[in-house]
Amino acid sequence: AQSVTQPDIHITVSEGASLELRCNYSYGATPYLFWYVQSPGQGLQLLLKYFSGDTLVQGIKGFEAEFKRSQSSFNLRKPSVHWSDAAEYFCAVGAMNQAGTALIFGKGTTLSVSS
Amino acid sequence: ETGVTQSPTHLIKTRGQQVTLRCSSQSGHNTVSWYQQALGQGPQFIFQYYREEENGRGNFPPRFSGLQFPNYSSELNVNALELDDSALYLCASSQGGVTGETQYFGPGTRLLVL
Repeated sequence: AQSVTQPDIHITVSEGASLELRCNYSYGATPYLFWYVQSPGQGLQLLLKYFSGDTLVQGIKGFEAEFKRSQSSFNLRKPSVHWSDAAEYFCAVGAMNQAGTALIFGKGTTLSVSS
Repeated sequence: ETGVTQSPTHLIKTRGQQVTLRCSSQSGHNTVSWYQQALGQGPQFIFQYYREEENGRGNFPPRFSGLQFPNYSSELNVNALELDDSALYLCASSQGGVTGETQYFGPGTRLLVL
């Protein structure tokens, strides 16, 4: 069965420090992978996505993620964190159905940024 | 371009009641997906509508039902509400029929069942 695991429930990073959020997936075929961010009381905003091709994907707000098939991972990184990056981050895998994609989400990682 | 909108933003119901949540899809999108996000959890897929037909369903009982209209807006109906139905309900729209299409989310409806 398809699943997504985000091992870190909560991470605190100092402003200006680098960030890596971990994501492992289980999916039988070539995965479609996504990272979304959710600020308090808000919906989900897409940061980046991987379908095929280059395994290093660039997204918005200076985020990037690397797809590693051998490790079934899709970790999110940012070289320098800003206080406004504090939010909930969700990794998702797209499970194909008849005419579209159902997203399967991990439980999320809460990012706190300290000054 | 108008994004995905949902109404109402919040509502409170009592156990056993019925509720209808509404979603307007982004311009040009013909697919709407609904997700339930319990507190402290990731969103869970309820079902998806593509061109007014249900196109995939998650592990939710039949008392969760939906509808998509010719303008591609959608409703989520939940009958016989239970306490565990308290959650943030998210709607996402996309251009269906495209492999791995991106889903764009609305701000959600927060439902509290007492």
